[in-house]
Amino acid sequence: NAGVTQTPKFQVLKTGQSMTLQCAQDMNHNSMYWYRQDPGMGLRLIYYSASEGTTDKGEVPNGYNVSRLNKREFSLRLESAAPSQTSVYFCASILADRKTQPQHFGDGTRLSIL
Amino acid sequence: GEDVEQSLFLSVREGDSSVINCTYTDSSSTYLYWYKQEPGAGLQLLTYIFSNMDMKQDQRLTVLLNKKDKHLSLRIADTQTGDSAIYFCAESMGTDKLIFGTGTRLQVFP
Repeated sequence: NAGVTQTPKFQVLKTGQSMTLQCAQDMNHNSMYWYRQDPGMGLRLIYYSASEGTTDKGEVPNGYNVSRLNKREFSLRLESAAPSQTSVYFCASILADRKTQPQHFGDGTRLSIL
Repeated sequence: GEDVEQSLFLSVREGDSSVINCTYTDSSSTYLYWYKQEPGAGLQLLTYIFSNMDMKQDQRLTVLLNKKDKHLSLRIADTQTGDSAIYFCAESMGTDKLIFGTGTRLQVFP
């Protein structure tokens, strides 16, 4: 009964370091999403993937890359971390053929860039 | 344009009703959602309403939609300390992409 699993839960990086945030879902969902959550700004979409092999930019894609490795996994990469990328990152997934189905969220990755 | 706004904080006494408000700007929204985020966790869907509805009730939760004013509200009856969380409204324009509001932090005190 895992749902959406994100790793790691916490990470501290130095400016310029690279890092990949992992996300996996076991619900056979088609669409997957990466959001960042910042105080007073809600959730902003970074990238999403409507199906295996496809990815699209969201609202704030700069400084990030993504890979939809297979139907289960959607990773987010920071090639050269910057302090402005300090945030809480959430992965979500949805079956996508019924709009009343909720997006299922992971518990988040808390990332600090020093 | 796509912009969803909420007030940042709400404080209520246990047992009172809470009303969390949300305004959105895109009149083509088809579904509107309320999510709850507890500390250290992701978001959980509380309820949703289709844009051709005015009201939806689900146990202690009542959602009101004023499409003319692009205003959505969530009323929680008999608010409990376990309701303390951040509440997000979100809109969908018929795709599976959601636009989230800024979130309202609800604090319930005894």
